[in-house]
Amino acid sequence: NAGVTQTPKFQVLKTGQSMTLQCAQDMNHNSMYWYRQDPGMGLRLIYYSASEGTTDKGEVPNGYNVSRLNKREFSLRLESAAPSQTSVYFCASSESRGRNQPQHFGDGTRLSIL
Amino acid sequence: AQSVTQLDSQVPVFEEAPVELRCNYSSSVSVYLFWYVQYPNQGLQLLLKYLSGSTLVKGINGFEAEFNKSQTSFHLRKPSVHISDTAEYFCAVIRNSGNTPLVFGKGTRLSVIA
Repeated sequence: NAGVTQTPKFQVLKTGQSMTLQCAQDMNHNSMYWYRQDPGMGLRLIYYSASEGTTDKGEVPNGYNVSRLNKREFSLRLESAAPSQTSVYFCASSESRGRNQPQHFGDGTRLSIL
Repeated sequence: AQSVTQLDSQVPVFEEAPVELRCNYSSSVSVYLFWYVQYPNQGLQLLLKYLSGSTLVKGINGFEAEFNKSQTSFHLRKPSVHISDTAEYFCAVIRNSGNTPLVFGKGTRLSVIA
């Protein structure tokens, strides 16, 4: 039972490089999310997709783009990585039929920008 | 918009002692409330949620939380902690209508001491 799968688990980039973080879920969920987690900051929403074909900005979208490739997959792209984007990135998914549905999280991607 | 304040960033407690992790929220409308737990190098897992009805909610691993509307609080409690409860705990809130996304607190690191 995979749930939410994120790849890669670790990555080191140089400033200015680009990268795509991948996320896939096998729970037939409609909604998917990307968060970043920094020490003492909790989780901050970068982008979310309420359903296939839609995406919306969250709290901290600058420097990122997303693609909802299909119902299962939701990718996060850094076009020109900056040291401030060093963080742990989490993908999550949930049913969208009600706002009372909990989110299911992947194990994270630990990204360092040098 | 809603917001969440976790009043303690770190809580050390001896094994088999009781613990309370505090969470206050602000919202002008009714909300749903969640507690998530994050073990080292893992994603978040749902502990429990309050949607409606009884204000005392029981979750996994012996945790429970009480919703107090007048004090806008949703504190998490466990009567006797184990070493394995060492983790970071996040309170989260979402409005029960509209399209604003889930908002997380900054987290409380629980350290259980043998």
